[in-house]
Amino acid sequence: EAQVTQNPRYLITVTGKKLTVTCSQNMNHEYMSWYRQDPGLGLRQIYYSMNVEVTDKGDVPEGYKVSRKEKRNFPLILESPSPNQTSLYFCASSPRDSLSGTQYFGPGTRLLVL
Amino acid sequence: KQEVTQIPAALSVPEGENLVLNCSFTDSAIYNLQWFRQDPGKGLTSLLLIQSSQREQTSGRLNASLDKSSGRSTLYIAASQPGDSATYLCAVRRQGGSEKLVFGKGTKLTVNP
Repeated sequence: EAQVTQNPRYLITVTGKKLTVTCSQNMNHEYMSWYRQDPGLGLRQIYYSMNVEVTDKGDVPEGYKVSRKEKRNFPLILESPSPNQTSLYFCASSPRDSLSGTQYFGPGTRLLVL
Repeated sequence: KQEVTQIPAALSVPEGENLVLNCSFTDSAIYNLQWFRQDPGKGLTSLLLIQSSQREQTSGRLNASLDKSSGRSTLYIAASQPGDSATYLCAVRRQGGSEKLVFGKGTKLTVNP
């Protein structure tokens, strides 16, 4: 089954404790992206990757890092989480330059930083 | 900077009613527009995608239209059912090869039995 998976689905942590949220897709998509969703603000892009070893900042990259060493994986790293990073995070992927342009989203990771 | 607005923010209707959700965007230079459905605590499910050259797309009881020149899209849901209750998001992808989606804040739909 074609899908985007995220782990963990729920995470409670404390300020300053490094964490990684994993994202993996099995559709051989070139493009992957991270969004965060907050009440009243909607979904905002954090980082994206056009292909392996190619990453770039989205609209709200501060406090986050990403890497793209393999095509299927795009982990989101919070080196020193802060309470304002409490949010619902979504990973997405799509084939580049596809006519459909449909993006596939993971199930989300709900993060609480105390 | 592209901005996407969805009106209304919330909508409650009785079962069986036909309804329209609205989406507007400020920059008409879009590559496509996509409607998503989001259930509470869940991810986003793509419903319909309209390319910039298209006027509408249909899937079952759903019909999405696009008027690029006026910066508007509508999602029409026919014969609504309680199972249609969810938040509906529209997102635009701009021209120029960027894959980035700019999202509206969504319309929360409740269909009452």
